[in-house]
Amino acid sequence: DTAVSQTPKYLVTQMGNDKSIKCEQNLGHDTMYWYKQDSKKFLKIMFSYNNKELIINETVPNRFSPKSPDKAHLNLHINSLELGDSAVYFCASTLGSRRAEAFFGQGTRLTVV
Amino acid sequence: AQSVSQHNHHVILSEAASLELGCNYSYGGTVNLFWYVQYPGQHLQLLLKYFSGDPLVKGIKGFEAEFIKSKFSFNLRKPSVQWSDTAEYFCAVNAQNNDYKLSFGAGTTVTVRA
Repeated sequence: DTAVSQTPKYLVTQMGNDKSIKCEQNLGHDTMYWYKQDSKKFLKIMFSYNNKELIINETVPNRFSPKSPDKAHLNLHINSLELGDSAVYFCASTLGSRRAEAFFGQGTRLTVV
Repeated sequence: AQSVSQHNHHVILSEAASLELGCNYSYGGTVNLFWYVQYPGQHLQLLLKYFSGDPLVKGIKGFEAEFIKSKFSFNLRKPSVQWSDTAEYFCAVNAQNNDYKLSFGAGTTVTVRA
């Protein structure tokens, strides 16, 4: 009964490939996020969706494309993977976007070789 | 640029020692403040949060934090740490004038030695 689940947990792939990371939440939340955590543990927001609508789109290469088929799912597709994309990607969700506590998934460790 | 700053990059202390981690933010106006913990290999979990009211908030596992508006600070404290408190600690802020985007500090690694 995991609240926010991501798949896969680990992803090793070659440069130039296209890959997707999936996220699902069963909390009934209406807002979902993708964060990137780099090797120095710094967390940076990438995207946020509220009820399937994109509300935050930070300065991220357009090789990254989020897709939200419904408010319980937010997937991240990455084209033409580069070495610098190696990081841990966290999905999170909140109910509303203001005073809400964010619940995080377990993270997907992406390694581009 | 508006930001969240955590002063300590790595803190090493012995069990039973007291812990204080600094956090400052630069957003004006209405802010909501959070501390998250990330145990090794795990996801982030909320320790405590401040929205309004009593500026001294108590969280899980014996942690507390104090909001000092005049200093734009939200420092985390624990009177007596345990080995199991070894983790990465993140301060986070969402602010009205930043569209309530949850922004994180760079994190502080806390190592507790038995």
